[in-house]
Amino acid sequence: DVKVTQSSRYLVKRTGEKVFLECVQDMDHENMFWYRQDPGLGLRLIYFSYDVKMKEKGDIPEGYSVSREKKERFSLILESASTNQTSMYLCASSFPGASMLYTDTQYFGPGTRLTVL
Amino acid sequence: GENVEQHPSTLSVQEGDSAVIKCTYSDSASNYFPWYKQELGKRPQLIIDIRSNVGEKKDQRIAVTLNKTAKHFSLHITETQPEDSAVYFCAAMKNHGDTGRRALTFGSGTRLQVQP
Repeated sequence: DVKVTQSSRYLVKRTGEKVFLECVQDMDHENMFWYRQDPGLGLRLIYFSYDVKMKEKGDIPEGYSVSREKKERFSLILESASTNQTSMYLCASSFPGASMLYTDTQYFGPGTRLTVL
Repeated sequence: GENVEQHPSTLSVQEGDSAVIKCTYSDSASNYFPWYKQELGKRPQLIIDIRSNVGEKKDQRIAVTLNKTAKHFSLHITETQPEDSAVYFCAAMKNHGDTGRRALTFGSGTRLQVQP
């Protein structure tokens, strides 16, 4: 069974704080993704990574950065949290589509509900 | 970039009825279309997917159809049951940005409620 875990289920931070959200997967997946989920907006891609130290901007990267130092771990960083970053953050992982294990299925973590006060 | 529109935003059906959720996409280069189900308080999980070389796919009570010409795809759930109540997301995948890596663009979601 694929297991994707996130460091916290709930997080409360203050405006201006630096926030780290961490995601770990145990399936040796090369691709990892960070989304935010807001009512009526679906899941929006923030950043993704297709290899260690490699990253690519998604559709809404402003105000966020990421780090992937190890294959199994992908961190989302809010350099200076703002109230409009209050949201549910979902991490996902997958095999790359071009590999022999071609699947494209993304496996999601349980989510972190972040509140910025 | 890709834009995926999903309708309706909410859908209420009686148990045993069918439910249909529709999505349109903007980029003809998209070639993979998954559907995810998210139960309350849970993570999204893939329920069915279809690739652009196929027009229809069925898995028990769930089916997905794809019309590449019109750039729309639909989820069909027959004989709905209360446990089908959830939020359903469609998505479209294409090569993303300069690197050509594959990424999903999601629709806004449909909250399906099956009344017993």
